[in-house]
Amino acid sequence: GAVVSQHPSWVICKSGTSVKIECRSLDFQATTMFWYRQFPKQSLMLMATSNEGSKATYEQGVEKDKFLINHASLTLSTLTVTSAHPEDSSFYICSARGGEALDTQYFGPGTRLTVL
Amino acid sequence: QKEVEQDPGPLSVPEGAIVSLNCTYSNSAFQYFMWYRQYSRKGPELLMYTYSSGNKEDGRFTAQVDKSSKYISLFIRDSQPSDSATYLCAMLQGAQKLVFGQGTRLTINP
Repeated sequence: GAVVSQHPSWVICKSGTSVKIECRSLDFQATTMFWYRQFPKQSLMLMATSNEGSKATYEQGVEKDKFLINHASLTLSTLTVTSAHPEDSSFYICSARGGEALDTQYFGPGTRLTVL
Repeated sequence: QKEVEQDPGPLSVPEGAIVSLNCTYSNSAFQYFMWYRQYSRKGPELLMYTYSSGNKEDGRFTAQVDKSSKYISLFIRDSQPSDSATYLCAMLQGAQKLVFGQGTRLTINP
């Protein structure tokens, strides 16, 4: 149980385009979902926290107009990187909290974004 | 100064060795401590979850927390090549924010 999926697993796009990444909790309802970014050989940095049906809470320094987060249902959250630039190239990982272990975050496999 | 410090390694040990991974932290408000394992190009997988000072054992893994020293450890006994991965410590800030260490890249050599 407690499986989180992400789609796509990798994506390459041109500078200036927008990219949408999906995060799904497959076998539990996620009351809260989190989006992280991980640069090579660095740790995960929390970008934003979202609760179903409400606006996401962004961490300091994360542009909410650039990284649009939608948490429309208890099993799906999306991250849209708008007008992507090469410096946005990174590994984006979502996590979800809910199910039997309310305090535990279950992580998705990540999405590697490369902006040319 | 980072809130959570973790030596990035890399750390390379022979199969069967005992591995010791450590993190220090500066925020006394951290109450929950986790260890995650992350294979290359994959998301982190929760290994251990502890709250109080002391030891917690799960199979070959032992998590140790010393709140007075703000120091946590993960020990791996009888290490296997399949244990080769990056190990991340993480601490819960408030109700739900996880603060991660940089991760230690571990290689177990057959």
